[in-house]
Amino acid sequence: GQNIDQPTEMTATEGAIVQINCTYQTSGFNGLFWYQQHAGEAPTFLSYNVLDGLEEKGRFSSFLSRSKGYSYLLLKELQMKDSASYLCAVRDSNYQLIWGAGTKLIIKP
Amino acid sequence: ETGVTQTPRHLVMGMTNKKSLKCEQHLGHNAMYWYKQSAKKPLELMFVYNFKEQTENNSVPSRFSPECPNSSHLFLHLHTLQPEDSALYLCASSPLAGESYEQYFGPGTRLTVT
Repeated sequence: GQNIDQPTEMTATEGAIVQINCTYQTSGFNGLFWYQQHAGEAPTFLSYNVLDGLEEKGRFSSFLSRSKGYSYLLLKELQMKDSASYLCAVRDSNYQLIWGAGTKLIIKP
Repeated sequence: ETGVTQTPRHLVMGMTNKKSLKCEQHLGHNAMYWYKQSAKKPLELMFVYNFKEQTENNSVPSRFSPECPNSSHLFLHLHTLQPEDSALYLCASSPLAGESYEQYFGPGTRLTVT
């Protein structure tokens, strides 16, 4: 079966750095997405990786290793507004999006 | 604002009621999706429409009936639901289905079945 694993919940301190991991087992691979979802709101797109390596976008970076079935989202200089759930999703060989259950990130002052 | 709107935002219905959820996208996209989001579970894809044609129906019970009159509007008709159908129902759109485009989500309808 197809599976996406990510931690259920993480806690970090304002101003710090946090890394949210995502591992996947899917039938084929056509890209990995990270979305942010604040409570009661729509998921919004953060990043897309299809080749190995690091993609940087301001305070957020996303890394992919296809050989290891592994990705992480790195958030720097954490702000209180970064408290949200972070969803990892992989597009398989049929271009179906397989979703993880999300990681709830709690930022403390 | 993501360019995808959903109404109503909250809905409480009894098991014998019939109601409809509405989604509208203002992005000029050709693909639209319905997802179910339950607490601490992955998003479940329910239906996919590409150019108004249904291309996916992921074993969804017949008490959920989608309708896509044009590329900008998507409905989910609900009847004789069960309490376990209580969840957040999200609509999304993308330029095309089956391609590596990001999806744009609406804010969802929080459905409670009593």
